[in-house]
Amino acid sequence: QSALTQPASVSGSPGQSITISCTGTSSDVGSYNLVSWYQQHPGKAPKLMIYEVSKRPSGVSNRFSGSKSGNTASLTISGLQAEDEADYYCCSYAGSTPYVFGTGTKVTVL
Amino acid sequence: EVQLVESGGGLVQPGGSLRLSCAASGFTFSSYEMNWVRQAPGKGLEWVSYISSSGSTIYYADSVKGRFTISRDNAKNSLYLQMNSLRAEDTAVYYCARDPISETDVWGKGTTVTVSS
Repeated sequence: QSALTQPASVSGSPGQSITISCTGTSSDVGSYNLVSWYQQHPGKAPKLMIYEVSKRPSGVSNRFSGSKSGNTASLTISGLQAEDEADYYCCSYAGSTPYVFGTGTKVTVL
Repeated sequence: EVQLVESGGGLVQPGGSLRLSCAASGFTFSSYEMNWVRQAPGKGLEWVSYISSSGSTIYYADSVKGRFTISRDNAKNSLYLQMNSLRAEDTAVYYCARDPISETDVWGKGTTVTVSS
């Protein structure tokens, strides 16, 4: 049940694109197309931004996109905006565990 | 409105017990799997426990196995987490979550548990 590995921080200027990686194993990310991404602002509950690797829930901006290759999933935020500054967590289905979260990435808008 | 509201958090001494509750409304509670997820101060999210819609299948994270017990009462639209032998490292905000990682996920606002003497 080791946490998925994410970079501790990623930063970018307004309008730029950034990508956050999420590395797991063949037992979680690599085995299932059930990876999600959450955005969390301080003191708030997590908000689902991407599910099933690349799908966006209703109401989430199309500036957010997801992908996966092997044991690594990625979240890309394009056209970075001030309100995107938050913590981001990936989460993968992992069979009998059944969920494992990433270590979290702090996104800073310069 | 679909809603999950946690309660029962508070300050407890190491070795003590606490029972968290999660009240569900706005959806057919008995049709959904439920989970507890926690977040220690300044730390990341950690999945804690899962229970199937009927309550027949249960999983725990290794960090709480043998100390925490998840349960549900579908007649009362409620989810519970009985926490025994609490340790300082159990200090966290505990979230009740429906269907994490799916399009239909719902999270409560959390309840804070502090384990300290």
